[in-house]
Amino acid sequence: DTGVSQDPRHKITKRGQNVTFRCDPISEHNRLYWYRQTLGQGPEFLTYFQNEAQLEKSRLLSDRFSAERPKGSFSTLEIQRTEQGDSAMYLCASSQLQGRETQYFGPGTRLLVL
Amino acid sequence: GENVEQHPSTLSVQEGDSAVIKCTYSDSASNYFPWYKQELGKRPQLIIDIRSNVGEKKDQRIAVTLNKTAKHFSLHITETQPEDSAVYFCAAPSGGSYIPTFGRGTSLIVHP
Repeated sequence: DTGVSQDPRHKITKRGQNVTFRCDPISEHNRLYWYRQTLGQGPEFLTYFQNEAQLEKSRLLSDRFSAERPKGSFSTLEIQRTEQGDSAMYLCASSQLQGRETQYFGPGTRLLVL
Repeated sequence: GENVEQHPSTLSVQEGDSAVIKCTYSDSASNYFPWYKQELGKRPQLIIDIRSNVGEKKDQRIAVTLNKTAKHFSLHITETQPEDSAVYFCAAPSGGSYIPTFGRGTSLIVHP
């Protein structure tokens, strides 16, 4: 499968714990995006990388959230001191560098904070 | 930033009927408008997109129309089938950004 992959697909954690998610984009895609989706809503933008540089972060992204893309390939999203309100689907997407090209989404990581 | 409104939130049709979903956007500089289909528990998948230099684009039973003056674009599905049942999202990036703002989604139900 040469699409966007995410790991894990599901995560259950207790409030206050840290969690880390991984995204592997399509190999030739330079841009990588993280979104959060809750039930009945469209994806909400969290942050965006072009190669290894984090170029934009949403105001939704509190200081408990951090994302990295150290080698310009895979990316990780870490949530520290999780709260029940962090429960959501976390989606990763990637796109090519030229223009505002189509974003291809991964299957998502569903997080439940108890 | 961009503000995207999507209507209706739920659309129920009989198999074979047409379905139309409408979105409005606020940033007149936006120039790329994708539509995504998301089946239950699955990832959003692009089904069609349109750029601002054209007014209409068609792909088999799916078409998208764009009215830049009125700042709205619509998804048209003809001859609907039960497998078209899903949530459909429109999106529009702000003119100077690669980041799309998504609508809240339309749950389309096609009854056999």
